[in-house]
Amino acid sequence: DTAVSQTPKYLVTQMGNDKSIKCEQNLGHDTMYWYKQDSKKFLKIMFSYNNKELIINETVPNRFSPKSPDKAHLNLHINSLELGDSAVYFCASSGQPSNIQYFGAGTRLSVL
Amino acid sequence: AQKITQTQPGMFVQEKEAVTLDCTYDTSDPSYGLFWYKQPSSGEMIFLIYQGSYDQQNATEGRYSLNFQKARKSANLVISASQLGDSAMYFCAMRDVMDSSYKLIFGSGTRLLVRP
Repeated sequence: DTAVSQTPKYLVTQMGNDKSIKCEQNLGHDTMYWYKQDSKKFLKIMFSYNNKELIINETVPNRFSPKSPDKAHLNLHINSLELGDSAVYFCASSGQPSNIQYFGAGTRLSVL
Repeated sequence: AQKITQTQPGMFVQEKEAVTLDCTYDTSDPSYGLFWYKQPSSGEMIFLIYQGSYDQQNATEGRYSLNFQKARKSANLVISASQLGDSAMYFCAMRDVMDSSYKLIFGSGTRLLVRP
C-alpha cells in the first residue's frame, strides 16, 4: 500500500487553465505539506497543514489554493496556470513523534 | 535564517566502495533535525536517515550513516559498499524543532553516480 499517494503523476495543460492535484496519506499523520521542485531540482515548501488547518503559506501566489477536507487529504488547486508553474509538485506528510516527512511520488506539471 | 549547503553538485564512486556526501547547515536554533533524502531518476523522494541535534550518537540505517559534527555544523551522509542502485540525487534537509510548521529546508542536492 502506498503511504502517500498523489494523482495525477503527469499533468500537461495550456496556459490559463485551472488544474488540481490530489494527495492522500494512509499513515495517520496530522501534518501534510506541498513542496515545489523547480527545473534545477531545488525543493521549496509551499504550504503546511496541521489537522486540516493552514500553518504556513510561503509567499505562494493566490492562484494556488490548498484544500484539506480531512486529515488524510490535502489537495492543491491552481488557477490561471502560467509557464513558470511548470515544476514537480510533491505532497508529504508527517506525524508524531518522529515528524519524519514521507513524500508522494510527485506530480510533474507542464504548462504549455 | 536556516540554510543548508551541499557543495558537491556531482560525485562518482566505484561500486562496492564507500562515499561521503557533504552537508553543512546554519541555524541559530539549539534544537533541530537533519535529514537525508534520495531521489532516483524515477523521481520519488525517499527518506534515508534522521539525526536530532541532541542525539548523542551518529544515526545509522543499514548502509547509511550520518557523520554528525555539531561544532562544525556538518551532517555528512556516508554510504558504505555502494551499489549501482545508489545512483541518484541526494538531498540534505533541516527542520527547526521549534517551528510549528515542521517545514524542511533543503540543500541543492548532490548527484551520485556509481560506476560498475
